[in-house]
Amino acid sequence: AQSVTQPDIHITVSEGASLELRCNYSYGATPYLFWYVQSPGQGLQLLLKYFSGDTLVQGIKGFEAEFKRSQSSFNLRKPSVHWSDAAEYFCAVALSGYALNFGKGTSLLVTP
Amino acid sequence: EAQVTQNPRYLITVTGKKLTVTCSQNMNHEYMSWYRQDPGLGLRQIYYSMNVEVTDKGDVPEGYKVSRKEKRNFPLILESPSPNQTSLYFCASSSARRDKNTEAFFGQGTRLTVV
Repeated sequence: AQSVTQPDIHITVSEGASLELRCNYSYGATPYLFWYVQSPGQGLQLLLKYFSGDTLVQGIKGFEAEFKRSQSSFNLRKPSVHWSDAAEYFCAVALSGYALNFGKGTSLLVTP
Repeated sequence: EAQVTQNPRYLITVTGKKLTVTCSQNMNHEYMSWYRQDPGLGLRQIYYSMNVEVTDKGDVPEGYKVSRKEKRNFPLILESPSPNQTSLYFCASSSARRDKNTEAFFGQGTRLTVV
């Protein structure tokens, strides 16, 4: 069955430390891949997306993600986390580019 | 400004009282969809529409109806709401193009409480 897995429900990092949020998918073909962020009480904001080509994708707010076909993964990274990055992060995949299937989310807590 | 507008943002209602959550987009997008977000479950698709008069069920359609009479509007209808429909709802729209510029735009969300 098609699925999107975010293995970490909660992650805590210190401000200034690096961050990696994991996302794995199970699809027959390579899907389109997205990362969204949801700040408390807010809607969803697109951080970055992968459709094809270069497997390292740059996004907004200093985030990047790497698509690894062999591992069916699309992990989100940031070299130095800021307190304002505390939020819920969702990985999403789509076969058609617009019918999104979301992971259950990873809640990021940033400590001083 | 490109946007998806949902109304209302917050709604408290009683069991069984019909309600409609409106969604409108100004980007001439073909594709629109509704999601519900629940703690620990992420976002799950309720219904989607590929174009005017074309709608289909998503993963959790029970208890919901939709219509797509105009391209810009995609209302979500709860004919007889129940407490298990208490949730945060998001409307989204996107172009039907399948290229790197395709992106889903989300509304701000509607927090619904059914008592």
